[in-house]
Amino acid sequence: GAGVSQTPSNKVTEKGKYVELRCDPISGHTALYWYRQSLGQGPEFLIYFQGTGAADDSGLPNDRFFAVRPEGSVSTLKIQRTERGDSAVYLCASSSQGVKLAGGPNEQFFGPGTRLTVL
Amino acid sequence: TQLLEQSPQFLSIQEGENLTVYCNSSSVFSSLQWYRQEPGEGPVLLVTVVTGGEVKKLKRLTFQFGDARKDSSLHITAAQPGDTGLYLCAGPTEGGTSYGKLTFGQGTILTVHP
Repeated sequence: GAGVSQTPSNKVTEKGKYVELRCDPISGHTALYWYRQSLGQGPEFLIYFQGTGAADDSGLPNDRFFAVRPEGSVSTLKIQRTERGDSAVYLCASSSQGVKLAGGPNEQFFGPGTRLTVL
Repeated sequence: TQLLEQSPQFLSIQEGENLTVYCNSSSVFSSLQWYRQEPGEGPVLLVTVVTGGEVKKLKRLTFQFGDARKDSSLHITAAQPGDTGLYLCAGPTEGGTSYGKLTFGQGTILTVHP
């Protein structure tokens, strides 16, 4: 079956521009996560959706970053007034459910990421 | 703040050698996961360890969770070029154990030369 897909795979933009990054999760997965990965680092949590609502947006670095998931499936990460420091790979992951009582977190399936470069 | 520190950051070895990657924290984690990531791809889950002292094996890979649940290790026996990649440990972030919000280590880049 299809995995998590992200578009575009690469995005080059100029400082100050607005960008949208799209994530198509695995069909039926209710939990969706966005992470940001800088070169040589592990992924850093940005935001988590359970269904249509953002259950935890504590990882968003500032108010230039916003994400939506209006129908509980596809999600869009929006970045306003991009800065050079926003350059990174933005990863999306989905899982079958967010809540699990024991045995560790549910497996998150990651997309290939969008490499954002801000010039 | 929960932090996971991995060592070494880089590892370059010859095919057939053994290696160990470490993941350490000053905080207790309810579970730890190991992922492998290849260039241009997202991380792929290898294993989840949930019990202090637990050992899990996946072919030539052996994963151990420390007794105090503050550390974990990944041991690869007879490494092969196909093992090359970025290895990441991750654990549920404090307050997020019920929904999988993860804290990742900075990763270990492994290169296995033929």
